[in-house]
Amino acid sequence: GDSVTQMEGPVTLSEEAFLTINCTYTATGYPSLFWYVQYPGEGLQLLLKATKADDKGSNKGFEATYRKETTSFHLEKGSVQVSDSAVYFCALSDRGKTGANNLFFGTGTRLTVIP
Amino acid sequence: DADVTQTPRNRITKTGKRIMLECSQTKGHDRMYWYRQDPGLGLRLIYYSFDVKDINKGEISDGYSVSRQAQAKFSLSLESAIPNQTALYFCATSDLGATGELFFGEGSRLTVL
Repeated sequence: GDSVTQMEGPVTLSEEAFLTINCTYTATGYPSLFWYVQYPGEGLQLLLKATKADDKGSNKGFEATYRKETTSFHLEKGSVQVSDSAVYFCALSDRGKTGANNLFFGTGTRLTVIP
Repeated sequence: DADVTQTPRNRITKTGKRIMLECSQTKGHDRMYWYRQDPGLGLRLIYYSFDVKDINKGEISDGYSVSRQAQAKFSLSLESAIPNQTALYFCATSDLGATGELFFGEGSRLTVL
């Protein structure tokens, strides 16, 4: 079945460091891929998405490229800020299977950025 | 005001009690979802609804039930709560035409003693 595997956390970085959070997926169809972010005490919100191979999603300085050949969608940011401290979830949606916007989530990676 | 509102935000209850978590939305979306979040397990889908006449089980529906009272309201019930249902519960909505983007409420933290 469909699934997402993302790197375990927690991840602690100094401000202005480079961030990579790895995400790989398994899907039999043609999924859309997402990164969601959960700030402390809040619900999840969409950070970026890519709907087909080689698409690059970007938002707030974060980027991720949909790589079909490696089944990956790694999240990157060149210079993190304290305000980026949050939990990041990789997710996929394979609408062909259920007809729904059903997302399969990874386990989440907690990022802490220290000044 | 939040587009997706969950009540209560926090609840402590005892084993065997009936609990209802409520969700209302002002986004006008047809589709609504209930997820459960546990540390190290990510989010898992409990139930989802395409419209008021359509309810579907998700990955972990056992021990839960739902009611879609109106397009804007979707409630989750635990008929007889047990400690392993202690978790953070999220309601979410999506538009029919959107490609997988969900809009989440702020969560309801439930503790079952």
